[in-house]
Amino acid sequence: NAGVTQTPKFQVLKTGQSMTLQCAQDMNHNSMYWYRQDPGMGLRLIYYSASEGTTDKGEVPNGYNVSRLNKREFSLRLESAAPSQTSVYFCASSVTGGKDQPQHFGDGTRLSIL
Amino acid sequence: SQQGEEDPQALSIQEGENATMNCSYKTSINNLQWYRQNSGRGLVHLILIRSNEREKHSGRLRVTLDTSKKSSSLLITASRAADTASYFCATGNSGGSNYKLTFGKGTLLTVNP
Repeated sequence: NAGVTQTPKFQVLKTGQSMTLQCAQDMNHNSMYWYRQDPGMGLRLIYYSASEGTTDKGEVPNGYNVSRLNKREFSLRLESAAPSQTSVYFCASSVTGGKDQPQHFGDGTRLSIL
Repeated sequence: SQQGEEDPQALSIQEGENATMNCSYKTSINNLQWYRQNSGRGLVHLILIRSNEREKHSGRLRVTLDTSKKSSSLLITASRAADTASYFCATGNSGGSNYKLTFGKGTLLTVNP
């Protein structure tokens, strides 16, 4: 029972480099999310996908793009990484996108931008 | 912007004691959820309480919700060293996006053996 799998677990980038963070879930969930977690800030929603084929901006979308490749996979892309994007990134999924649905999280990607 | 705010920020207790964490929020909610995060791991859903519920139990966890005070509490009874983690509340707000949970900054609980 893998649940939500994120790759890579760690990454160091130089300013200006690009990178795609991968996320896959095997629970047949319809909705998927990308968050970032910074010290003292809690989790902030970057983008979400209510269902396959749809994506919407969250609280902090600037500097990011997403792709819902299929029902299982939801990727997050940094086109030109900046030091302010140093963070821990979490992918999550839920059965449907309702606010009363528990979300299931991966173990995160720790990203450092130098 | 943060909706839920946990209190205290950090809590240290001895094994066997009870731990109480509080969450306050600002706007009307549909439900409130509590999550646990072990160091270096993702969040794990613990319990969800709806706005028309006042109390909910799950094993050693007890959650209360007071919508008049816009607050919730999470009680962990007979704590164990394995309960050491950060605990977050998350609110699903009335109106607004149907998909957005707003997370607080968390309470770091340390249970000493």
